[in-house]
Amino acid sequence: QVQLQQWGAGLLKPAETLSLTCAVYGGSLSGYYWSWIRQSPGKGLEWIGEVNGSGSTNYNPSLRSRVTMSVDTSKNQFSLKLSSVTAADTAFYYCARVWYAPFDNWGQGTLVTVSS
Amino acid sequence: DIQMTQSPSVVYASVGDRVTITCRASQGISKYLAWFQQNPGKVPKRLIYSSSSLHTGVPSRFSGSGSGTEFNLTISSLQPDDFATYHCLQHFTYPWTFGQGTNVEIK
Repeated sequence: QVQLQQWGAGLLKPAETLSLTCAVYGGSLSGYYWSWIRQSPGKGLEWIGEVNGSGSTNYNPSLRSRVTMSVDTSKNQFSLKLSSVTAADTAFYYCARVWYAPFDNWGQGTLVTVSS
Repeated sequence: DIQMTQSPSVVYASVGDRVTITCRASQGISKYLAWFQQNPGKVPKRLIYSSSSLHTGVPSRFSGSGSGTEFNLTISSLQPDDFATYHCLQHFTYPWTFGQGTNVEIK
């Protein structure tokens, strides 16, 4: 059973860069796409983008100018960077796997708060 | 972007009730539709993919139907763990988009 464990800084100041990492246990990065999703407190879910085991990416155009996703196959990890954060980026961030269809496995979530 | 609209936003129901939630897409998405359940303070869990395929381990009281622009999630007999928020997701075209969510609450 694949398990995803994520971590990263939970409190940022405006204009800083959000950085999160998700480690994959019990499976390989190769052959799958790996997504990031966020949920503002009390709001719906928003797909941020995805990266596959070879490093190919697809991003949500609403965030594309600020998002970078990457993989580290040696560590079986993938990462999200979101630059120039504002209070509007305050949310729970989740990593998840895409296998045949989206999001069969999820990380535990990380609350990222942007506040001066 | 494809807009996904769920209805109702809130449904009040009792244990044992049959509940149906609808998700409408602003354009046709074939059967590229998934449903997720999110209990309060918890991580979303996939229930249904490809409109009607049950995710491994999901109870058979959950079922999905539809294609094109209109989709339904039905819970045949509501159980205490089912009081949660339900989200639909289209993955027909990028960017993938979710519905706004439907809260199933105790009547």
